Amino acid sequence: AQTVTQSQPEMSVQEAETVTLSCTYDTSESDYYLFWYKQPPSRQMILVIRQEAYKQQNATENRFSVNFQKAAKSFSLKISDSQLGDAAMYFCAYRRGATNKLIFGTGTLLAVQP
Amino acid sequence: GAGVSQSPSNKVTEKGKDVELRCDPISGHTALYWYRQSLGQGLEFLIYFQGNSAPDKSGLPSDRFSAERTGGSVSTLTIQRTQQEDSAVYLCASSGLAGEQFFGPGTRLTVL
Repeated sequence: AQTVTQSQPEMSVQEAETVTLSCTYDTSESDYYLFWYKQPPSRQMILVIRQEAYKQQNATENRFSVNFQKAAKSFSLKISDSQLGDAAMYFCAYRRGATNKLIFGTGTLLAVQP
Repeated sequence: GAGVSQSPSNKVTEKGKDVELRCDPISGHTALYWYRQSLGQGLEFLIYFQGNSAPDKSGLPSDRFSAERTGGSVSTLTIQRTQQEDSAVYLCASSGLAGEQFFGPGTRLTVL
């Protein structure tokens, strides 16, 4: 069975600094996708970034980028120039194939200090 | 609206009562998912509908839980004889051909 592990329950970063959230996963599949979702206190899950397993290039979306290490089954999220609005719970998620259920990690609560 | 909507936003019920939670997916999305988010269990998959295929019910925790999707659009999650452990936020998501899942705001269910 596929599993997703987030080992950092809480993280804190100063405004304008950079922070990295860790995620590891376990799968024997070759066709899969990885995601980072953000959940602010409003509880609306928002997709931050996605990575296809077949792509070697790390995905980037503005201030958000990932470090995808396929052999190590690691998928970390880097947030550059942190902003107060980045404060939220961040979930790493795995999906087998193009359309399928998401398997989530336990989340990392990110605080941004002014 | 452009996004996934869910109703009600909050629901308080008494133990033993039945509840229905509604999800309106993004228009044109063929896949619809239900997840449950609770303090003890984190985010769990419940059920998944894809077009006209038989739903994947592998995540439903007991036979008190059921869901249907009418006309390939709106979905209703029904919990019969609610228990206190059913208290959670129930999230619905939908996806189109690209596979990205877009989530609704959730329904917070409290069972007294």
